[in-house]
Amino acid sequence: GAVVSQHPSRVICKSGTSVKIECRSLDFQATTMFWYRQFPKQSLMLMATSNEGSKATYEQGVEKDKFLINHASLTLSTLTVTSAHPEDSSFYICSASRVEWSNQPQHFGDGTRLSIL
Amino acid sequence: AQTVTQSQPEMSVQEAETVTLSCTYDTSESDYYLFWYKQPPSRQMILVIRQEAYKQQNATENRFSVNFQKAAKSFSLKISDSQLGDAAMYFCAYRSSTDNYGQNFVFGPGTRLSVLP
Repeated sequence: GAVVSQHPSRVICKSGTSVKIECRSLDFQATTMFWYRQFPKQSLMLMATSNEGSKATYEQGVEKDKFLINHASLTLSTLTVTSAHPEDSSFYICSASRVEWSNQPQHFGDGTRLSIL
Repeated sequence: AQTVTQSQPEMSVQEAETVTLSCTYDTSESDYYLFWYKQPPSRQMILVIRQEAYKQQNATENRFSVNFQKAAKSFSLKISDSQLGDAAMYFCAYRSSTDNYGQNFVFGPGTRLSVLP
C-alpha cells in the first residue's frame, strides 16, 4: 500500500515554458505532500510542504512565484515551474504522508527529470 | 534545527561481504524517528529500514540492520552479504515526532555504495 505516482517522469522543454508536475497518492489520502529538488550527486533538498486545502510552506530561498504548488485535494498536489530556465533543470521528487502517520516513512514518487534547453 | 551527517561520501564493498554506513545527527529532542533510504540509479527512493528513538532494540530487515546509539546520536546501517543490487546512494533521514503536521524529513548528504563483484 501507500503508492505515490508522479507524472511526468521526464520533461524536456524550451526556456520560458511553464511545466506542471503532478503528484498523486493512489491508495490513501495524503494530508501532507512534500516537494524536493535533487541536483546530481547531492541529497534531497526540501522545497516546500503542502497541506491539503492550505497554502504551501516554502523553505528559505525557494521562490514562491517561481515554484507554484497547489494541493487542492487529498490525493493530488501539483508543482508548476513557471517560465523555466536552464538553471531550473533538476530532478524533482514528491512524497506524501498523513498527519497521523507519525511513525511512518514518507512515500515517494519516482521523480521527474526536468531539462530546460 | 536538526542536522544529519554522513561522513562517508563513498564506500565500496566486495560482493557477499559486510559494510557499515555511518550516520550521525544533532537534535535536542528525545523522541524522533530515523530512516535509511536507498536511491539506485533509477532515482527511486526506497525505504530500507526505520527506527523509533524510544525503542532500544536495533531494527533489522533481512540483510539490513542498524546500530542505534541514542546517547551518541549515531545511526549506522549494516548491510550483510552484500549483493550487486545493493549498489546505490544511501540517505539517512531524521524526522521529529513532535512535528506531526509537517512531518518534515531532514536528509543527510548521502553515501554512494559500490558493490564489487
